[in-house]
Amino acid sequence: DAGITQSPRHKVTETGTPVTLRCHQTENHRYMYWYRQDPGHGLRLIHYSYGVKDTDKGEVSDGYSVSRSKTEDFLLTLESATSSQTSVYFCAIDGGSYGYTFGSGTRLTVV
Amino acid sequence: AQSVAQPEDQVNVAEGNPLTVKCTYSVSGNPYLFWYVQYPNRGLQFLLKYITGDNLVKGSYGFEAEFNKSQTSFHLKKPSALVSDSALYFCAVRDDSGTYKYIFGTGTRLKVLA
Repeated sequence: DAGITQSPRHKVTETGTPVTLRCHQTENHRYMYWYRQDPGHGLRLIHYSYGVKDTDKGEVSDGYSVSRSKTEDFLLTLESATSSQTSVYFCAIDGGSYGYTFGSGTRLTVV
Repeated sequence: AQSVAQPEDQVNVAEGNPLTVKCTYSVSGNPYLFWYVQYPNRGLQFLLKYITGDNLVKGSYGFEAEFNKSQTSFHLKKPSALVSDSALYFCAVRDDSGTYKYIFGTGTRLKVLA
């Protein structure tokens, strides 16, 4: 989607390795979010940020960390990937009255 | 705590027939409600929202949603379904803590049959 990009789009990694997903926005929005999407669970919030270096946990934050050193970038790190973290990860920015704008997602497979 | 429920995992409807995708919510204050659609291998796209005002909200692609405060529901509707409407639909409520977090339902897969 215009204004927000995620990288990589697909990744396969081994159990126990660290993985970093990147979310980049060109909209200068203050709020950014990381969600994971799993069948039967919908989207669940992992972490969110309300400004540079200001982050907080969501409902499924265990095993994940985030960093936001610049307004435009929000990084999600899986410190030691596990098979339960196989999922599709979405970044979102708060678009004001139109709600969230989502990135295209990152499909992560942990083998 | 805010929550959203989508009671149907899948809805099947014949092309040309009206469709309804159900959503109920629980909030402590005034609800900010949204519907999003996800096509295969894509991110979620905004369809419509209810913040305040008319209970019938019109959105993209001919969709509308009816807000019912007494039943705490926000059902998505369309008068005449198209095969191209087949997708995954999510209802969401915005957290009222000031963080603009959204709580999503588990999603309903809509299948429109030709």
